[in-house]
Amino acid sequence: EVKLVESGGGLVQPGRSLKLSCAASGFNFNDYWMGWVRQAPGKGLEWIGEINKDSSTINYTPSLKDKFTISRDNAQNTLYLQMSKLGSEDTAIYYCARDHLGAVDYWGQGVMVTVSS
Amino acid sequence: DIQMTQSPASLSASLGETVTIECRASEDIYNGLAWYQQKPGKSPQLLIYNANSLHTGVPSRFSGSGSGTQYSLKINSLQSEDVASYFCQQYYDYPYTFGAGTKLELK
Repeated sequence: EVKLVESGGGLVQPGRSLKLSCAASGFNFNDYWMGWVRQAPGKGLEWIGEINKDSSTINYTPSLKDKFTISRDNAQNTLYLQMSKLGSEDTAIYYCARDHLGAVDYWGQGVMVTVSS
Repeated sequence: DIQMTQSPASLSASLGETVTIECRASEDIYNGLAWYQQKPGKSPQLLIYNANSLHTGVPSRFSGSGSGTQYSLKINSLQSEDVASYFCQQYYDYPYTFGAGTKLELK
């Protein structure tokens, strides 16, 4: 069974940094592009970016490229999202996503990040 | 960026009815389109990819069609468990982008 489990969310002050993790199991992590999608409370979905199998290619939505960094550790079957200079606009549920031909065929349960003083 | 315009924003339908949701892309996305269902408090679930391919385990009452810039999701014989929000997503070009969503309710 494919499982994606995010962790590392919580309350963070404006301007600070936070790193999310996504532990993958039930499939060969090395064989898949992986990414992150977020959803602000009561809003729609926003694609953050994705990373290829060997970390040689990472694509971001332009407005987040200078704040967010996606990485992965294939030995640990883990995907990461490093977020910096956080603002209230970054308050959202963050989903780990497995890429299937560009679509997301498996989603994590999501982790809440709240940016507030 | 490719803009995805989804309509309607909300929809009310009766059990057994056929429902259609549409997505228009700001340029040709060559069938690089997915549809997702999201129930309240849950993660999105993939329904359709490549515009018309049904994801594993998705009921056959869901179907996708379209080409170029115009795509649609059809739900035949609406069931109570189909009450949810639906989102389209283009993955033809980076950055991938989503439609704003359609909230489907029962009449």
